[in-house]
Amino acid sequence: DADVTQTPRNRITKTGKRIMLECSQTKGHDRMYWYRQDPGLGLRLIYYSFDVKDINKGEISDGYSVSRQAQAKFSLSLESAIPNQTALYFCATSDSRGDSFEAFFGQGTRLTVV
Amino acid sequence: KNQVEQSPQSLIILEGKNCTLQCNYTVSPFSNLRWYKQDTGRGPVSLTIMTFSENTKSNGRYTATLDADTKQSSLHITASQLSDSASYICVVRSPSRQGGKLIFGQGTELSVKP
Repeated sequence: DADVTQTPRNRITKTGKRIMLECSQTKGHDRMYWYRQDPGLGLRLIYYSFDVKDINKGEISDGYSVSRQAQAKFSLSLESAIPNQTALYFCATSDSRGDSFEAFFGQGTRLTVV
Repeated sequence: KNQVEQSPQSLIILEGKNCTLQCNYTVSPFSNLRWYKQDTGRGPVSLTIMTFSENTKSNGRYTATLDADTKQSSLHITASQLSDSASYICVVRSPSRQGGKLIFGQGTELSVKP
């Protein structure tokens, strides 16, 4: 089983619908992140959480919200989806202990808003 | 302005040939620099990490170099294989006292042809 699991893997939704992307991890890491990836733009940070009670906005948080339900779970919501939110979304985790801060990514969720 | 710039944007090489990917960054100071490999439809996976004091590091056929003075890193792939076809992403981490943020380059799309 993957250490960082995202569900669903693919989703097509209509404009205006609310949608939730879920992420769970078995690595025991305290930090979790949501990124979106668009062709030619690389990965951009939407939200991040350093522990269950800590939620922070990233560079492109408008139109998104998150919930850290437990150390192992971090969900991303689009309250009212719009077509320009069509992208590949990645959840990632990292461990604040040590110096390497390697990010471990899930398999991604391909979201299409029509 | 993107603080991590990669070149070329895309590259096509023949199987068995060598290639070098470039990463220029303006993040200063930085904690570490990683190269990630992202296969199509999958999340990025770390290949190698470079800290400020390291000049070169190898991981099999992958060799990363770092020149902290010129703020440049390169990833050299030797004897390329078809499985090397992927996007290669340079990621610079700012120091913890500055938030420890991960700053992503746009990636270089490598295609290895038989």
